[in-house]
Amino acid sequence: ETGVTQSPTHLIKTRGQQVTLRCSSQSGHNTVSWYQQALGQGPQFIFQYYREEENGRGNFPPRFSGLQFPNYSSELNVNALELDDSALYLCASSFQGNYEQYFGPGTRLTVT
Amino acid sequence: DAKTTQPTSMDCAEGRAANLPCNHSTISGNEYVYWYRQIHSQGPQYIIHGLKNNETNEMASLIITEDRKSSTLILPHATLRDTAVYYCIVRVERGGADGLTFGKGTHLIIQP
Repeated sequence: ETGVTQSPTHLIKTRGQQVTLRCSSQSGHNTVSWYQQALGQGPQFIFQYYREEENGRGNFPPRFSGLQFPNYSSELNVNALELDDSALYLCASSFQGNYEQYFGPGTRLTVT
Repeated sequence: DAKTTQPTSMDCAEGRAANLPCNHSTISGNEYVYWYRQIHSQGPQYIIHGLKNNETNEMASLIITEDRKSSTLILPHATLRDTAVYYCIVRVERGGADGLTFGKGTHLIIQP
């Protein structure tokens, strides 16, 4: 059974640029959630995708968007990057309705 | 989701039981108590969850008070690898699309 994987591991972007982060779900999972974790804080929920549709969103602006593909993998896109977007971005997969979310190792984004 | 209160940090000697408290005095009748942990530089890991009965699995035990306003996560024989931030989260089991709400958690340090 393959766990949740994310790419890239690290990246550095400049303020105003756009970034795409990728996530592969654990086998058998049909739901993907994305979280942002600032240094020293707990993860904050960005949004969730189920059946290729966004079906839940946290308190994040529209410049944070995503996609889910038929194989349940997912992308997180962030436009017009700001310095405060520097964080660890975590992807978690689950089976819709199940209580347990499986997290990937995260992508460390630095915005300069 | 109900808010939770956890100590910022705790120490425990290796081989001893680690008891991590969590207060959730505003918990609703249909809300479960979940525990996740995050080892440094990794994504969060699910540990256990429960509604009102005590629960045990291969990782830990969860003790919930009769009034459900607090709970304790017990790691029976702590090892150095249990050093991590532990998050107590309260939410409905099949919470749908609202994601997990993480606080700052308890930083548990296992001392050799």
